[in-house]
Amino acid sequence: DTGVSQDPRHKITKRGQNVTFRCDPISEHNRLYWYRQTLGQGPEFLTYFQNEAQLEKSRLLSDRFSAERPKGSFSTLEIQRTEQGDSAMYLCASSSVGGAGYGYTFGSGTRLTVV
Amino acid sequence: AQSVTQLDSQVPVFEEAPVELRCNYSSSVSVYLFWYVQYPNQGLQLLLKYLSGSTLVKGINGFEAEFNKSQTSFHLRKPSVHISDTAEYFCAVSDNAGGTSYGKLTFGQGTILTVHP
Repeated sequence: DTGVSQDPRHKITKRGQNVTFRCDPISEHNRLYWYRQTLGQGPEFLTYFQNEAQLEKSRLLSDRFSAERPKGSFSTLEIQRTEQGDSAMYLCASSSVGGAGYGYTFGSGTRLTVV
Repeated sequence: AQSVTQLDSQVPVFEEAPVELRCNYSSSVSVYLFWYVQYPNQGLQLLLKYLSGSTLVKGINGFEAEFNKSQTSFHLRKPSVHISDTAEYFCAVSDNAGGTSYGKLTFGQGTILTVHP
């Protein structure tokens, strides 16, 4: 068990470009969450998967954002036509059945900088 | 809907001194409460959690927190801090009502703890 892995760790992109991040959760965890953390703020919930089903999306997740979890394993978060306001740390977390009460495991995050 | 307020954005303290990081929450349902620590350029690590039972919760690295339902608070304490405790600390809540809660967390804005020698 190597924990939750996120790739890449850092991404610098030009405004208007598309970016995709990957999250590999702990293998036996069926719940997967994406959060966004901007400078000086706490993480904010973006979306949640139980197995391959995306069961909740925050209103923060505009139509430029899409997330998938094919086959209930790894997940990807894509941002289309990036804007400077998308610059943030994107955190992935996974948990077993029971969610937060059983404790999340967070990845180290992907830091996105849009220039 | 839930909200979390961390009352101090920055707390400077000298090494071996005690520290308290304050957290208040608002929720219309009963909640689980958490404290996480984040070191620079890293993800979040769980320090401790309150689910039910004893209101005094002990966590890793000598930290403890006390759940106060009447004051809707969950303050984090450590009797003697070390340089290595310098980090950002986040208080978070999750509703435990089941159903469609899905276990998502609502975080406070964070408190930066700086321990000086």
